[in-house]
Amino acid sequence: EPEVTQTPSHQVTQMGQEVILRCVPISNHLYFYWYRQILGQKVEFLVSFYNNEISEKSEIFDDQFSVERPDGSNFTLKIRSTKLEDSAMYFCASSVGSLSYEQYFGPGTRLTVT
Amino acid sequence: AQSVTQPDIHITVSEGASLELRCNYSYGATPYLFWYVQSPGQGLQLLLKYFSGDTLVQGIKGFEAEFKRSQSSFNLRKPSVHWSDAAEYFCAVASGGSYIPTFGRGTSLIVHP
Repeated sequence: EPEVTQTPSHQVTQMGQEVILRCVPISNHLYFYWYRQILGQKVEFLVSFYNNEISEKSEIFDDQFSVERPDGSNFTLKIRSTKLEDSAMYFCASSVGSLSYEQYFGPGTRLTVT
Repeated sequence: AQSVTQPDIHITVSEGASLELRCNYSYGATPYLFWYVQSPGQGLQLLLKYFSGDTLVQGIKGFEAEFKRSQSSFNLRKPSVHWSDAAEYFCAVASGGSYIPTFGRGTSLIVHP
């Protein structure tokens, strides 16, 4: 069964550094998403991406964040100048269509900012 | 703004016992409702969803949920829990204006043998 994959599974970085989290969505999916979950808190939506552009983003997704689909398979989340409060689990998801279609989630990347 | 409340942080049940996980939402119009499960080290998997129609929704792994508009609830149930059901369960709601779900904080299910 096709699945969403994410690399790395765990990333440790120093405050102020840039990180890139990578995701490979399911191949025939058209919508891509990033979510994050700070330890002990809710899963929060960051951004959705369709047709090579951001279709929706939350208040969390400020200028520190960017997303890109650099080729036909990868979907990346870049965090510039990381802060301690960026430490969280970051989930990538993809779906064939929008609301009526199931979002398939990857296993997540745990980001630790020290 | 829509919101989701899962009042139970942890639930402990014995294997074979019935299960009900509570979810309450706040949203003015008819919401789109979801239950996801997250096993350790895994991503979130959709158990079931409600968009319209029959208020009792059947999902995967023997789960069901009932939408009760009068109570603003969408509780998840399973008649007989298996040890493999131990996981984190998330309720989520989306509105017609945005297809992005808002998640609850999750309920951790512990299953005793």
